[in-house]
Amino acid sequence: DAGVTQSPTHLIKTRGQQVTLRCSPKSGHDTVSWYQQALGQGPQFIFQYYEEEERQRGNFPDRFSGHQFPNYSSELNVNALLLGDSALYLCASRHTSGDNTGELFFGEGSRLTVL
Amino acid sequence: KNQVEQSPQSLIILEGKNCTLQCNYTVSPFSNLRWYKQDTGRGPVSLTIMTFSENTKSNGRYTATLDADTKQSSLHITASQLSDSASYICVVSARTGRRALTFGSGTRLQVQP
Repeated sequence: DAGVTQSPTHLIKTRGQQVTLRCSPKSGHDTVSWYQQALGQGPQFIFQYYEEEERQRGNFPDRFSGHQFPNYSSELNVNALLLGDSALYLCASRHTSGDNTGELFFGEGSRLTVL
Repeated sequence: KNQVEQSPQSLIILEGKNCTLQCNYTVSPFSNLRWYKQDTGRGPVSLTIMTFSENTKSNGRYTATLDADTKQSSLHITASQLSDSASYICVVSARTGRRALTFGSGTRLQVQP
């Protein structure tokens, strides 16, 4: 079992560009969530996908969008990049349970640097 | 507003010593509380998950406690090792709602030889 895998691991973009990050969930998991983690801070929830739909969203602008595919993998897209978007982007997956007790497994993250 | 506060923000201890990290939360209705360890530049790894009825749970040298009445949790690390140097993040789940998971900012622990 490969666990949660993310790609790319590192990337550098310039202001105004667009970026797509990818995530494959752990085998058997159907729910994927994305987090932004600035240096020295805890992860900030961006959104969560289940059954190919965005189910929950954090306090992030519309420049942040996502998608979930039938095989449960997911993408995070960020448009019109700003310097402040530089961060570690974490993907996490779990098997959906009604009371949110499903254990959350994280990937190693994608480190985005915006110049 | 659901919030999770962790203290201290950072901590330096000598190898072999014990330490305790704190987590206070205002998440409601409470479902569970998790502690994660995050090495620098890596993804968080789960240490423990505690539900409403659990007071103490151990995972090797890590022992977590939960007081659901006062909405406090602690993570105690015994006989610290250099490899314990990491950030420790408290995450609280609400039973319902759009913002189901609330993350603390973490405690950065440094274990020195």
